[in-house]
Amino acid sequence: SQQGEEDPQALSIQEGENATMNCSYKTSINNLQWYRQNSGRGLVHLILIRSNEREKHSGRLRVTLDTSKKSSSLLITASRAADTASYFCARFLYNQGGKLIFGQGTELSVKP
Amino acid sequence: DGGITQSPKYLFRKEGQNVTLSCEQNLNHDAMYWYRQDPGQGLRLIYYSQIVNDFQKGDIAEGYSVSREKKESFPLTVTSAQKNPTAFYLCATRYTQYANTGELFFGEGSRLTVL
Repeated sequence: SQQGEEDPQALSIQEGENATMNCSYKTSINNLQWYRQNSGRGLVHLILIRSNEREKHSGRLRVTLDTSKKSSSLLITASRAADTASYFCARFLYNQGGKLIFGQGTELSVKP
Repeated sequence: DGGITQSPKYLFRKEGQNVTLSCEQNLNHDAMYWYRQDPGQGLRLIYYSQIVNDFQKGDIAEGYSVSREKKESFPLTVTSAQKNPTAFYLCATRYTQYANTGELFFGEGSRLTVL
């Protein structure tokens, strides 16, 4: 399977705490993306990091990428109850006709 | 409003029946994708299409078929050959002018239940 691995599978924290989710993969990438999914809904794109970038920020989101270890992490700072959702990493494979391969996801629960 | 419309939102079918899920977009995106999601799992790629009249198999194409006759439309047929069709199906699009990005825009999904 080309799917990556994400951990943890589930994460439960209190409001105000930080949440860190990790993603590992096996093949080369053009970029790595993170998506959010509320229960029963479609996915929403959060942030993209290119293979030549090491860190990127967007609001309360911080993404890192280590291509030597083939891993990425998503940090959500000062979490809110509204951040409760599933988070997925996805690898964009430009040389395979634009395929986007998703990981298994991390289910985040933020308790008020 | 610009966006992606999937229909129906919920669908029930009997075993042995084919069913077609609709995906329509007015974002003027060239690429379209179909993913399947099972409970508590990630998305698995069924089929994708970069341009009209062309499409490629994803990782789990068996038991599914697609067509891409128009830029705006990418319907997915779940055939009776698909052994476990009960799942949440997601359609997505991508703007291919920025070749090295690959951000996907998703519809709200169709939930298929086989009785």
